[in-house]
Amino acid sequence: DTAVSQTPKYLVTQMGNDKSIKCEQNLGHDTMYWYKQDSKKFLKIMFSYNNKELIINETVPNRFSPKSPDKAHLNLHINSLELGDSAVYFCASSQEIDGTYGYTFGSGTRLTVV
Amino acid sequence: RKEVEQDPGPFNVPEGATVAFNCTYSNSASQSFFWYRQDCRKEPKLLMSVYSSGNEDGRFTAQLNRASQYISLLIRDSKLSDSATYLCVVNLILPTDSWGKLQFGAGTQVVVTP
Repeated sequence: DTAVSQTPKYLVTQMGNDKSIKCEQNLGHDTMYWYKQDSKKFLKIMFSYNNKELIINETVPNRFSPKSPDKAHLNLHINSLELGDSAVYFCASSQEIDGTYGYTFGSGTRLTVV
Repeated sequence: RKEVEQDPGPFNVPEGATVAFNCTYSNSASQSFFWYRQDCRKEPKLLMSVYSSGNEDGRFTAQLNRASQYISLLIRDSKLSDSATYLCVVNLILPTDSWGKLQFGAGTQVVVTP
């Protein structure tokens, strides 16, 4: 059973299009995240939700809009895609265990904007 | 200055040898520390947490030096399967926030050769 699953795994699209990436976790975690890993390999947090409430919103263009219909799902919608949006997007979830946070990542969505 | 800095490598290590590398972090308020492993085109996976007193997990030893703001990872008796990128990760909870944010280094690439 996949703990954190993202779809699609690969996404190739043209500039200007709107696309969505979906994420689901079956771990019962309260918190979910979207991270972006660019060509320089840095993983940067974009958004975080705790029990459907937005708690972290980093400096991200407002073309990116997360949605959390319930605590097991966190989707990412991107409007007017640009070349610079090409990256791998990782969904993750976490839960506090004994004062520390255990994070589990999805396998990533490789987005290529052409 | 990046919040978490690592030597990108690659560290080319003969099988059976020992390799060690460090990571520095800029915010002294950082609260918890981890090493994650990321294989090519895969998601990051937790390798080990790093505790103040230092800790071992099999062939892996992690150390934390709060005074100098660095953490280290040592791999003994390297195996071919240890070839990966090792991400230094710091969890920062600012006084103004209720939530921690994982901050990732760009990773240190380790290549174990036969």
